[in-house]
Amino acid sequence: AQSVAQPEDQVNVAEGNPLTVKCTYSVSGNPYLFWYVQYPNRGLQFLLKYITGDNLVKGSYGFEAEFNKSQTSFHLKKPSALVSDSALYFCAVRDINFGNEKLTFGTGTRLTIIP
Amino acid sequence: EPEVTQTPSHQVTQMGQEVILRCVPISNHLYFYWYRQILGQKVEFLVSFYNNEISEKSEIFDDQFSVERPDGSNFTLKIRSTKLEDSAMYFCASNSGSLGEQYFGPGTRLTVT
Repeated sequence: AQSVAQPEDQVNVAEGNPLTVKCTYSVSGNPYLFWYVQYPNRGLQFLLKYITGDNLVKGSYGFEAEFNKSQTSFHLKKPSALVSDSALYFCAVRDINFGNEKLTFGTGTRLTIIP
Repeated sequence: EPEVTQTPSHQVTQMGQEVILRCVPISNHLYFYWYRQILGQKVEFLVSFYNNEISEKSEIFDDQFSVERPDGSNFTLKIRSTKLEDSAMYFCASNSGSLGEQYFGPGTRLTVT
């Protein structure tokens, strides 16, 4: 079974400050990890993914995430937050084994950037 | 930029009625998915579809649900006899290969009264 935990329902950050949205995962095999963002009344937008290789992956809108195998974490980061980053962020995982295509999502973290 | 589209954006139906939710995946994608998000809860996988058949389904996807790709562009989710607890946002997604990221549509909000 695969699962994702996002321990913080809400994260508030002042504009211009660095932000971190936390995610930990559990899979039986090798993980394939994603971050998606959801704006009000919109679908999920892909931000970035980790399959293999460099533990630091860069994605859209200046976001990056660091894969840490020993801590089973994949935290989302940005060096300098913008008010427009305010949204709901979902971490997702799938087992990289062939045939297991479903994404398992965390409960989401609402990020609010304070001007 | 190509995107996944879904219709309708909002569907209201009475309990026991059949509904069909429609999706047009990105044109060169081969794998198709339905997910749902009950208000205030996390996004849950329903079903994946590849090569004209279901490749994986969740416990939620019982006999009341079915999927179809009736032509080369549409991908539909049918709920035969809706229940109150089927009220949710339903998202369609697609990707070009099983290891590619899934691209999501804007969703259909289903309200069962």
